Amino acid sequence: EIVLTQSPGTLSLSPGERATLSCRASQSVSSRYLAWYQQKPGQAPRLLIYGASSRATGIPDRFSGSGSGTDFTLTISRLEPEDFAVYYCQQYVSSPFTFGPGTKVDIK
Amino acid sequence: QLQLQESGPGLVKPSETLSLTCTVSGVSISSSFYYWGWIRQPPGKGLEWIGSMYYSGSSYYNPSLKSRVTISVDTSKSQFSLKLSFVTAADTALYYCARHIRYCSGGRCGDPPYYFDYWGQGTLVTVSS
Repeated sequence: EIVLTQSPGTLSLSPGERATLSCRASQSVSSRYLAWYQQKPGQAPRLLIYGASSRATGIPDRFSGSGSGTDFTLTISRLEPEDFAVYYCQQYVSSPFTFGPGTKVDIK
Repeated sequence: QLQLQESGPGLVKPSETLSLTCTVSGVSISSSFYYWGWIRQPPGKGLEWIGSMYYSGSSYYNPSLKSRVTISVDTSKSQFSLKLSFVTAADTALYYCARHIRYCSGGRCGDPPYYFDYWGQGTLVTVSS
């Protein structure tokens, strides 16, 4: 089973600031097999990024993903009030499909 | 418009079987492009994938739950279901159903499936006597 580690656990930032979230895999997931999700309180997760860097339909371009192998990054270029949420990465190179523990982005 | 809606009892007794159904609308559950999956989230915790099934029966399960899990698809009702047996308090969670995308190219699709692009709202299941 591939274990995903996310850092930091919590990121405290102000609106307008840049957010950089990290996801590290216990073994390579190539450059294609990683997704990012956003979850707000009381809501289901929403797909943001797939294939490590492709934005899902309707996702603003302030969200970008990068990385390959075992190290991946989700960047939010300028935080909007609606971006304060928990972010999860997920690998799909092999079953079982695993999620990271999440990074909470909260308002400083 | 694609919608997934979970339904089922919100309270299950320990050692009994948890049964949930997800009703899919706005897309054919028999499409070759998708598996249909279940993911759970204990209160205040992260996401755990349970299993995913293709309409014709091909499936993937999380080994940590495989011995207790059955997922089935009913194409006539556009529904898929989850059964989790011998539940304990550790199975208390918000249960989500989701569409699990397959990679398709040149008219052919491969396995295993990839990411989850649409989710239901989730249903809370509490295990308690």
